[in-house]
Amino acid sequence: AQKVTQAQTEISVVEKEDVTLDCVYETRDTTYYLFWYKQPPSGELVFLIRRNSFDEQNEISGRYSWNFQKSTSSFNFTITASQVVDSAVYFCALFGANFNKFYFGSGTKLNVKP
Amino acid sequence: KAGVTQTPRYLIKTRGQQVTLSCSPISGHRSVSWYQQTPGQGLQFLFEYFSETQRNKGNFPGRFSGRQFSNSRSEMNVSTLELGDSALYLCASSLAAPPTYEQYFGPGTRLTVT
Repeated sequence: AQKVTQAQTEISVVEKEDVTLDCVYETRDTTYYLFWYKQPPSGELVFLIRRNSFDEQNEISGRYSWNFQKSTSSFNFTITASQVVDSAVYFCALFGANFNKFYFGSGTKLNVKP
Repeated sequence: KAGVTQTPRYLIKTRGQQVTLSCSPISGHRSVSWYQQTPGQGLQFLFEYFSETQRNKGNFPGRFSGRQFSNSRSEMNVSTLELGDSALYLCASSLAAPPTYEQYFGPGTRLTVT
């Protein structure tokens, strides 16, 4: 079975706080890809990052960083020094090579208050 | 470069009617995928087309169908609409097969069934 769990339904922080969005996945595939997308109020999903199952290196892109740990089946996303523009719904997604389709988590709504 | 466009953006239909939604991918993109987003079920994969062929299908009833034209534009059709079909329908395009190639999402069509 393929499943993505984002246990945090909604998070509220004050601007400049750091925030981590959790993502736990389940798959029997040995080859798979993990993604994070941002969905602002306009509705359009914006790609943030893709990781394949063979690349456990953490990644940093500006204020964004991702921690991929196969041992705990987690792919967490941290925003450092959050800004109001970071307010959106964030989705974690899994693409398994055998199932050949995307499975999305339920999303985490992030509210960044000034 | 123009992004993914979806028409119409908003639609209100009555139960029992049918509806057709349209998606124009980014120029040069040959893969088009459709997703349904609802508050209850989240983001769910509907189907993916590549070069006019449906390559993958999600777990939706046969009332949901789609097609892709030779110019890569895609349509999805929902027949005998039910109240539960009310959702945001998102289209995504990519150069070729995801996940190797990044998906770019359109703004969605908001369908309301009354």
